[in-house]
Amino acid sequence: ETGVTQTPRHLVMGMTNKKSLKCEQHLGHNAMYWYKQSAKKPLELMFVYNFKEQTENNSVPSRFSPECPNSSHLFLHLHTLQPEDSALYLCASSRDRYGANVLTFGAGSRLTVL
Amino acid sequence: RKEVEQDPGPFNVPEGATVAFNCTYSNSASQSFFWYRQDCRKEPKLLMSVYSSGNEDGRFTAQLNRASQYISLLIRDSKLSDSATYLCVVSANSGNTPLVFGKGTRLSVIA
Repeated sequence: ETGVTQTPRHLVMGMTNKKSLKCEQHLGHNAMYWYKQSAKKPLELMFVYNFKEQTENNSVPSRFSPECPNSSHLFLHLHTLQPEDSALYLCASSRDRYGANVLTFGAGSRLTVL
Repeated sequence: RKEVEQDPGPFNVPEGATVAFNCTYSNSASQSFFWYRQDCRKEPKLLMSVYSSGNEDGRFTAQLNRASQYISLLIRDSKLSDSATYLCVVSANSGNTPLVFGKGTRLSVIA
């Protein structure tokens, strides 16, 4: 157990569905991240939160909507997704936002959009 | 030029072999460097940070060459359990610059 827990681990949804991914960290970190990992591509940063405030939105389509109610929890709300959104979505946390900090990743939520 | 470039491999090596990976980065302002390891269908995990003077952790040695803008990872006496994808990660260390990941280099250690 890495200290960062993601649920669900697997999700299959239709293009008209609405679902949410959840991430919880037990490490006392202040920064949390959503990354997308697709086959044969590097990890793509989607969103960054530092002390519950969103500090980065990496030109992510509005069908992905993040929510960070506190420093320990992060959600990714999904609606009207496309098949090309199928990927592994990884949550990560770090002590704070700055680049020198090591990331601790959750096990990921593998999403399939039909 | 891509921000962080790695040879995707795969590198197929026998047990006990020594293998080295390189990674080049484009941002000369980069200050922090890491190697992460990702097993098949698992999350990335930090393998080691890379320091300016180079550093070693058991069978793993990391080097940084700022002039040529590359970092390297050397694995000695490869084990079957070393089979994984190795991700090169670079950051400019400023408050507005996130970590940038390479696509990874896949290593298969064969018995």
